[in-house]
Amino acid sequence: DTAVSQTPKYLVTQMGNDKSIKCEQNLGHDTMYWYKQDSKKFLKIMFSYNNKELIINETVPNRFSPKSPDKAHLNLHINSLELGDSAVYFCASSVGIYYGYTFGSGTRLTVV
Amino acid sequence: GQQLNQSPQSMFIQEGEDVSMNCTSSSIFNTWLWYKQEPGEGPVLLIALYKAGELTSNGRLTAQFGITRKDSFLNISASIPSDVGIYFCAGQLTSSGTYKYIFGTGTRLKVLA
Repeated sequence: DTAVSQTPKYLVTQMGNDKSIKCEQNLGHDTMYWYKQDSKKFLKIMFSYNNKELIINETVPNRFSPKSPDKAHLNLHINSLELGDSAVYFCASSVGIYYGYTFGSGTRLTVV
Repeated sequence: GQQLNQSPQSMFIQEGEDVSMNCTSSSIFNTWLWYKQEPGEGPVLLIALYKAGELTSNGRLTAQFGITRKDSFLNISASIPSDVGIYFCAGQLTSSGTYKYIFGTGTRLKVLA
């Protein structure tokens, strides 16, 4: 069983489109995250939810909107995609805000 | 913003050699984590450090939480080909009441058989 699963693994789309990435964790963790990894492999936090409540919202364009229907799911919706949004997006979860994360295998988003 | 500098940026070593890498910052961190990322996968947690001065091992890996709380070190002994990957440190800040992890810039390790 995959602990943190993301879908899709690859996403190729045109500029201006709207797309969503889904994330589910079966670890019973309370906290979930979205990270963006750029072409230089730098990992930067975007959002964090604790028990469905948004607790971290970094400087991310409003085109990115996370949604957590329950504590096992954290989805990421992106409107009006731009070339610069091309990156690998990682979902992660943790027992609580102090502890290490379990990452999903990533979604490689390519905007053309 | 806060930055975590990892060094070296990349390294090529011979199989069997020991590896050392470190992570430094001007900020004080409460927790340090070390991750390994292989191609096409997400980072995998290797070691977590929760106290200044703490030294923790996980098989051939040993990591230390620096006394100043501004740095951390990772050593890999007797490297093997499957050690190849990118190693990231991550430090947890507690400023402004948010407990987020800042990731380092990564150390790319390549092992020559």
